[in-house]
Amino acid sequence: AQKVTQAQTEISVVEKEDVTLDCVYETRDTTYYLFWYKQPPSGELVFLIRRNSFDEQNEISGRYSWNFQKSTSSFNFTITASQVVDSAVYFCALSEKNYGGSQGNLIFGKGTKLSVKP
Amino acid sequence: NAGVMQNPRHLVRRRGQEARLRCSPMKGHSHVYWYRQLPEEGLKFMVYLQKENIIDESGMPKERFSAEFPKEGPSILRIQQVVRGDSAAYFCASSPFVMDRGEKLFFGSGTQLSVL
Repeated sequence: AQKVTQAQTEISVVEKEDVTLDCVYETRDTTYYLFWYKQPPSGELVFLIRRNSFDEQNEISGRYSWNFQKSTSSFNFTITASQVVDSAVYFCALSEKNYGGSQGNLIFGKGTKLSVKP
Repeated sequence: NAGVMQNPRHLVRRRGQEARLRCSPMKGHSHVYWYRQLPEEGLKFMVYLQKENIIDESGMPKERFSAEFPKEGPSILRIQQVVRGDSAAYFCASSPFVMDRGEKLFFGSGTQLSVL
């Protein structure tokens, strides 16, 4: 069965600390995509990154970096030198090519609420 | 470029009333998806539509819920005879291509439905 687990429900850090948000997924498919979305207090979901299952290179974008490891089925997200504006709920999501039953079905984790205090 | 537009932003209904949620996809996007977010939960897929067609409604409750995406106008998610358990945030997303190409979805700001 397809599943995304974000074990950390809430994390609180002080500004400038580094923080890693964990994401573990389950899938039967060999071709799949992983995503991270940010949901700030205003409510909308903001796309952060997409990674396909054949590309295990880690990615860095400014203070954000992602560590994709197929061996452990994990796609973790690290924010370096966190800022108050990073406070949000972060969702990890999985999309399968062949299984999962439906096109357009992004399977979301329950999210991790990050609070960055000044 | 306008993003995905959802209205209303907040909707209050009494039990038994109907709720209509609207979604205008991004310009050039012909694929629309509806998701529901219950409190403390991630988003759950409900339905995937293209213009005038429902492609996948495997996540829709069998009763009281319906969705459409007409040739002209926004996509509509309709909930008849609402109950308190329908209270949730409903998100619409759109994409220019089907998701099985790994396309990212562009989400709206959601409609918060509260059933009294």
